[in-house]
Amino acid sequence: GENVEQHPSTLSVQEGDSAVIKCTYSDSASNYFPWYKQELGKGSQLIIDIRSNVGEKKDQRIAVTLNKTAKHFSLHITETQPEDSAVYFCAASKTGGSYIPTFGRGTSLIVHP
Amino acid sequence: NAGVTQTPKFQVLKTGQSMTLQCAQDMNHNSMYWYRQDPGMGLRLIYYSASEGTTDKGEVPDGYNVSRLKKQNFLLGLESAAPSQTSVYFCAVSTGAAYEQYFGPGTRLTVT
Repeated sequence: GENVEQHPSTLSVQEGDSAVIKCTYSDSASNYFPWYKQELGKGSQLIIDIRSNVGEKKDQRIAVTLNKTAKHFSLHITETQPEDSAVYFCAASKTGGSYIPTFGRGTSLIVHP
Repeated sequence: NAGVTQTPKFQVLKTGQSMTLQCAQDMNHNSMYWYRQDPGMGLRLIYYSASEGTTDKGEVPDGYNVSRLKKQNFLLGLESAAPSQTSVYFCAVSTGAAYEQYFGPGTRLTVT
């Protein structure tokens, strides 16, 4: 089955700095890679996703890059703000059939004002 | 629209007690999931349901049972709670086609 590794487990940055979280996956058939943000005491919320036919996707201060050859994808947050502080999860899955994503272990991002 | 709701928000059980966690959705999505989240372990799938009346085991199903009698409800049961089941439980739903999952706010369960 799929295995997703996520690093780092904790990331501390100053407000305004950039933050990068990296994930690797094992199943070359995986073709959908979402990123979720979990704020304290809340459920996770999708913030951006990428499919395997695209190398990069941006949405304002957030971007995701995908390297299919190396089987890794990354979340980039620029100009971080204190409200970006949360736990971020990456996931990998195959489209078609039942949708069962495999999640990484999460990264706790702390943005210091 | 409430989206995905979970009850209760908090629960404390003694070892051996039973309980049911409830998940309800008003999004009319076919797929529903139960996850547990433990520190440093991410989200691990307990059970999922691709449609009303069907359920399948996930990565960590032992000690749990589920029921999907209605499309909008997915119930997670603990027949005989154990301290190892202390965790935060999240319900999620998805269309199955669009792949985005919508998560509930979670239930924090402590088993003493």
